[in-house]
Amino acid sequence: QKEVEQNSGPLSVPEGAIASLNCTYSDRGSQSFFWYRQYSGKSPELIMFIYSNGDKEDGRFTAQLNKASQYVSLLIRDSQPSDSATYLCAVCSNTGKLIFGQGTTLQVKP
Amino acid sequence: ETGVTQSPTHLIKTRGQQVTLRCSSQSGHNTVSWYQQALGQGPQFIFQYYREEENGRGNFPPRFSGLQFPNYSSELNVNALELDDSALYLCASSSTTGLEEAFFGQGTRLTVV
Repeated sequence: QKEVEQNSGPLSVPEGAIASLNCTYSDRGSQSFFWYRQYSGKSPELIMFIYSNGDKEDGRFTAQLNKASQYVSLLIRDSQPSDSATYLCAVCSNTGKLIFGQGTTLQVKP
Repeated sequence: ETGVTQSPTHLIKTRGQQVTLRCSSQSGHNTVSWYQQALGQGPQFIFQYYREEENGRGNFPPRFSGLQFPNYSSELNVNALELDDSALYLCASSSTTGLEEAFFGQGTRLTVV
């Protein structure tokens, strides 16, 4: 079992729709969870981080964390073509390193 | 713009050669982590440096080594390059070893031929 798992996609949504990206992790002791966006050929860019169970909203983005189910998700409302990218879920281990999933490719079609 | 600078941006090396990649961390950050990202994969943790000492290492062979300098900039050295070392190498700087907000440099694209 991979430490952090994501569906590689691609996930295709029409412009204006809600995109839902999901991630599961194996280490129950994980405390910090991150979503990064990565455009092709570029480095990852932090979108959001979340520490507590529940929802955290920032503009069009909402991160959701359920530690009991070891599940993290990212919702993107009113998706735009510029949101088309790979979204990386990362979990901070108790040794202080970020463990990444393989990423989900999102395509937002005009 | 994150304030984390990597050099060079692109590099082509021959199998068996050695390479040094450099990273200047963001002002105020004392922790640098290095990651390898193969095409189509997520970044894989190589190692982390905190105040000039190695502070954790991923599943990479000893031919991957590093340094952190007093100004908190860092180097990644790879000896005896193999074709599979071709990847995007990313460094991330942060202010704590918890990586609560790690900012990535633009990466170095290494191609081994």
